[in-house]
Amino acid sequence: GAGVSQSPSNKVTEKGKDVELRCDPISGHTALYWYRQSLGQGLEFLIYFQGNSAPDKSGLPSDRFSAERTGGSVSTLTIQRTQQEDSAVYLCASSLDGTLFAETQYFGPGTRLLVL
Amino acid sequence: AQRVTQPEKLLSVFKGAPVELKCNYSYSGSPELFWYVQYSRQRLQLLLRHISRESIKGFTADLNKGETSFHLKKPFAQEEDSAMYYCALTPYSGAGSYQLTFGKGTKLSVIP
Repeated sequence: GAGVSQSPSNKVTEKGKDVELRCDPISGHTALYWYRQSLGQGLEFLIYFQGNSAPDKSGLPSDRFSAERTGGSVSTLTIQRTQQEDSAVYLCASSLDGTLFAETQYFGPGTRLLVL
Repeated sequence: AQRVTQPEKLLSVFKGAPVELKCNYSYSGSPELFWYVQYSRQRLQLLLRHISRESIKGFTADLNKGETSFHLKKPFAQEEDSAMYYCALTPYSGAGSYQLTFGKGTKLSVIP
């Protein structure tokens, strides 16, 4: 079956614009994770969804970041008023079970965001 | 707050030599620890987690609470092991925290 997919694969935007990143998890996977990978900060965990619920949003870098998941499936990560330091590869992963990090995660290819 | 330290940014070993990728952590409670790997032009993937005590692709890692370490080891390195390796920590699930902290990563280069 299909793996985790993300769109767009690349996004170039101007500072101050809003962007929306999409993640389609593997069908039937209840847990969904967002990460960020950048040269400056390395790998960062952003947020975790169990179904449609995100129990802890403290990993989001600032209040310009928000994430939602609907129907226990697709998730969107929204960055408002983008800044140059938001430039990174945003990774999404999903796993079958909702037990946090206990199950094998399947990663998407990432969305490469460049803020000019 | 938890912290994960991978002291080596780059580690080069010859094929067939033993490999040890170091990971030290700082956390006051009982952590769960993981190793992730990213091969060139491939997706990030989980390599192993200490709770399952498994061996994947010949790699093992033992949690040493006394030394607060979770070093990744392989007795004989292969060229296909060349990749970026990340150590990560999450507080024990019963702690009510939903965070995962990564180290900065170690790039392993296996020389033929």
